[in-house]
Amino acid sequence: SAVISQKPSRDICQRGTSLTIQCQVDSQVTMMFWYRQQPGQSLTLIATANQGSEATYESGFVIDKFPISRPNLTFSTLTVSNMSPEDSSIYLCSVRRERQQETQYFGPGTRLLVL
Amino acid sequence: KQEVTQIPAALSVPEGENLVLNCSFTDSAIYNLQWFRQDPGKGLTSLLLIQSSQREQTSGRLNASLDKSSGRSTLYIAASQPGDSATYLCAAGGYSTLTFGKGTMLLVSP
Repeated sequence: SAVISQKPSRDICQRGTSLTIQCQVDSQVTMMFWYRQQPGQSLTLIATANQGSEATYESGFVIDKFPISRPNLTFSTLTVSNMSPEDSSIYLCSVRRERQQETQYFGPGTRLLVL
Repeated sequence: KQEVTQIPAALSVPEGENLVLNCSFTDSAIYNLQWFRQDPGKGLTSLLLIQSSQREQTSGRLNASLDKSSGRSTLYIAASQPGDSATYLCAAGGYSTLTFGKGTMLLVSP
């Protein structure tokens, strides 16, 4: 298994500001992902965080809005930029030790409310 | 594009009942199928992972089956308990990513 921590656990922000969410894993992992869970909805993949290179974004998500860093195999950050109330969601970090065919683990999430 | 559907959206049962949660997916070319549990205000806990070559997996009172050809998976919970109350999510595993359903919200009453 993998133990994942996220900071902050929750935040209330004003529109137009930015928030950076940190994800720390207790051991090295190959794959790290960022998901969004909007109220009443399921999880949507934002991007795959790649170590030492630009993240791979899913359709509908762009780097200017959600810049991601992954400096090593245990840490990643997601920034939600120029926030609007529509960005109010739970943001979850997820990891997998290998590329495929393995259990995927999730962090506790960051609950964001944008006023 | 993979789409995952879960039925029912919500389920309420008395303690002790056996129950089945359903999951269907449109693209049968999956690598695995994973079931998660999400408690209110919490992250996801992995329950069971079924590889594409497997038909079922069991863990305690939970049993998950997979029929790739028909694009279906079920999660069977035996002798339900109030502590089983949560939202259950299934996710179809592609080469590197998971596609989630919207979940089944389960309430087990004492």
